[in-house]
Amino acid sequence: RKEVEQDPGPFNVPEGATVAFNCTYSNSASQSFFWYRQDCRKEPKLLMSVYSSGNEDGRFTAQLNRASQYISLLIRDSKLSDSATYLCVTLGGATNKLIFGTGTLLAVQP
Amino acid sequence: GAGVSQSPSNKVTEKGKDVELRCDPISGHTALYWYRQSLGQGLEFLIYFQGNSAPDKSGLPSDRFSAERTGGSVSTLTIQRTQQEDSAVYLCASSWTMNTEAFFGQGTRLTVV
Repeated sequence: RKEVEQDPGPFNVPEGATVAFNCTYSNSASQSFFWYRQDCRKEPKLLMSVYSSGNEDGRFTAQLNRASQYISLLIRDSKLSDSATYLCVTLGGATNKLIFGTGTLLAVQP
Repeated sequence: GAGVSQSPSNKVTEKGKDVELRCDPISGHTALYWYRQSLGQGLEFLIYFQGNSAPDKSGLPSDRFSAERTGGSVSTLTIQRTQQEDSAVYLCASSWTMNTEAFFGQGTRLTVV
């Protein structure tokens, strides 16, 4: 079983739609959580950190459920520019290294 | 300030040659990570440094791969006797400390012919 699992998608949604991605992680000792986005043939870029209380940044909302060991990302009012691969990332535990999911591909259609 | 800098951005090498990839982290960042990504694949962890020490080398694919970090700053990833399966984008990231968000360089695209 992978340490971080994501639905690979693709998620094809129209502009203006709301879309949600979930991610599950297996290491209960994980301490920090992030969402990154990666555009085609580019490096991953930090989208937002994920806090236990949940956090929002504009159209993006991230939630963490430690009991169920899952993380979610909600994107409201999707834009064409949101098209990318979204990577779920955990950090911490015994090895203290960033563990990446394989990513969820989002394609926002005009 | 400057972000994570990697060089070269592209490298084409002949099978069997050695290559050295460089990563210059954000100033003051103590943690440094190396990943590689093959086309259409996810990020594969290679190694990380806390300061100059590497607590976890478990991701290095074989003994042809080695990495070092000196002065708590620049890191080099060396691949000896390159093979075609080593072709990938090698990504470096750094963070202030462990457990904080990491920032990536633009990567080195390695092609072994």
